[in-house]
Amino acid sequence: ETGVTQTPRHLVMGMTNKKSLKCEQHLGHNAMYWYKQSAKKPLELMFVYSLEERVENNSVPSRFSPECPNSSHLFLHLHTLQPEDSALYLCASSKGHQTTYNEQFFGPGTRLTVL
Amino acid sequence: GQQVMQIPQYQHVQEGEDFTTYCNSSTTLSNIQWYKQRPGGHPVFLIQLVKSGEVKKQKRLTFQFGEAKKNSSLHITATQTTDVGTYFCAGLDSGAGSYQLTFGKGTKLSVIP
Repeated sequence: ETGVTQTPRHLVMGMTNKKSLKCEQHLGHNAMYWYKQSAKKPLELMFVYSLEERVENNSVPSRFSPECPNSSHLFLHLHTLQPEDSALYLCASSKGHQTTYNEQFFGPGTRLTVL
Repeated sequence: GQQVMQIPQYQHVQEGEDFTTYCNSSTTLSNIQWYKQRPGGHPVFLIQLVKSGEVKKQKRLTFQFGEAKKNSSLHITATQTTDVGTYFCAGLDSGAGSYQLTFGKGTKLSVIP
């Protein structure tokens, strides 16, 4: 147990659905991240939030919309996804993001399947 | 942009044999981190190396950071079935003005009992 929880753990959705992924960290960290993990590809950083402010957005399509209401919670809102968006979506947190000591604590992930 | 290459992609070893995975960055790194992901699990932080030429040990695991801070390796002595999983390196290139970790594709280790 790393102190980072994610819900749901599994999600199947159609291309016209709207759903949200939730992440919560209980570690008192200031930075939170969304990563996408697809088969045979490296972990792809999607978004970084530091103290509830978005600091990185790595050219992610607008059908993915993050929200960080406070430093403990992070959401990823999904709408009109494509089958190629099927992947494991991992949330992570770290003490800070503008530091060289930013060990990432990952949640268990949400396995997303888009039909 | 920064690229982190990791080899081999897969490694099958007999239990008791040694295992090494290598990581190479296209740019000089501020630090390098190593993570392990068990099958069906999520990445778990193992260690961070910061200094040029640094060597750290965790029981049967030895981590090295190259003198030029562009490469790193993880060596496991006498593998056990509990070592099964995918090992990722992740490099931090603060020189680019971004504190974003770039992950390698990982080395998937299988251990044959």
